[in-house]
Amino acid sequence: DAGVIQSPRHEVTEMGQEVTLRCKPISGHDYLFWYRQTMMRGLELLIYFNNNVPIDDSGMPEDRFSAKMPNASFSTLKIQPSEPRDSAVYFCASKKAGGSPEAFFGQGTRLTVV
Amino acid sequence: DQQVKQNSPSLSVQEGRISILNCDYTNSMFDYFLWYKKYPAEGPTFLISISSIKDKNEDGRFTVFLNKSAKHLSLHIVPSQPGDSAVYFCAARSYQLTFGKGTKLSVIP
Repeated sequence: DAGVIQSPRHEVTEMGQEVTLRCKPISGHDYLFWYRQTMMRGLELLIYFNNNVPIDDSGMPEDRFSAKMPNASFSTLKIQPSEPRDSAVYFCASKKAGGSPEAFFGQGTRLTVV
Repeated sequence: DQQVKQNSPSLSVQEGRISILNCDYTNSMFDYFLWYKKYPAEGPTFLISISSIKDKNEDGRFTVFLNKSAKHLSLHIVPSQPGDSAVYFCAARSYQLTFGKGTKLSVIP
């Protein structure tokens, strides 16, 4: 298995622009998570899905952030409009229901908003 | 309100010696605790976990100890190797994983 695949790896955009981050989870995994990593806050959970349904989006910082999972193999995290304080590394992770507790992470998208 | 805390942002250890990374938590409902390792420009990779009903789990050079009464866990790496240099995240599971801010381990050859 190729693991969790995120694209793009790097994104530089201007303030006010829309940004879309993409994630392909590991096939057969039931849960998908979006995390954001910053120096100040570390790794924080933004939202997670179970069987494509959003379960908890309490970590989404503002209405400018939205996430979708239209099918089991694809999810997007959108920021519109983007602001410089959104600059961070965004990780997607997936896991199977039951069994082992670990989630598997993608390589992340480094977002820079100028 | 941080439910999972790693109070040491960094740690330096000589190659061959033991590395001890610490983590404290506040939520008694966590049922699993995990350690992840992260290299620069990569995603976190799972290292080892422990159930809340256990007090020790070992995997090769890595051992995790859990002290539930103190709400404290630690990761021991022995012997430490230069390739172990990375950021280590402690995580705890209730419905989802909650992470600490990480400890940067440097193993000096």
